[in-house]
Amino acid sequence: DADVTQTPRNRITKTGKRIMLECSQTKGHDRMYWYRQDPGLGLRLIYYSFDVKDINKGEISDGYSVSRQAQAKFSLSLESAIPNQTALYFCATSDRTNPLQETQYFGPGTRLLVL
Amino acid sequence: QQQVKQSPQSLIVQKGGISIINCAYENTAFDYFPWYQQFPGKGPALLIAIRPDVSEKKEGRFTISFNKSAKQFSLHIMDSQPGDSATYFCAASTQGGSEKLVFGKGTKLTVNP
Repeated sequence: DADVTQTPRNRITKTGKRIMLECSQTKGHDRMYWYRQDPGLGLRLIYYSFDVKDINKGEISDGYSVSRQAQAKFSLSLESAIPNQTALYFCATSDRTNPLQETQYFGPGTRLLVL
Repeated sequence: QQQVKQSPQSLIVQKGGISIINCAYENTAFDYFPWYQQFPGKGPALLIAIRPDVSEKKEGRFTISFNKSAKQFSLHIMDSQPGDSATYFCAASTQGGSEKLVFGKGTKLTVNP
């Protein structure tokens, strides 16, 4: 099922361009995350949000910004894209209200190429 | 600094064999240790998880072994199948659950038929 959707799925852009990656979820979760995946480096947290008014930097936030437009929407922006931001980007959600919840649910990913 | 160290980076196993992936951590505040499985073109998905109050958790062919004193945990896949071929990530959290996970670098498992 497509509880967590990401758009676009693939994007090619040029150095210096501003781009936005969007994430939407229908799971009703309050917590949302943006990760970056690079070969051999695993998943690294960029930003996370525990509710609409809460935005927090992750491990590698430099060069990125986010917006939590609603509980269901969390966008990642690259203000001025550079080639080393070429990567696979994942959005994820988790549920604070369910004490038995033990997982983050990941979207299908956005593959970004910066030329 | 890398908070969760995962090895090996890649692993090739014959069908029916045992796959073992290891992770080590330094932060003694970690209290939740999940493993995620990722197939090509897909996002990671939770496979199995353990909390430090138990030393082992088994779900079907997948087992987590946890050694609190050594600050290590491992994933064992018994009777490995070609369908298990995927990238596996260990992770850890200090929140007791799924918030703010710290991931290992991943292990690409290939199970040959």
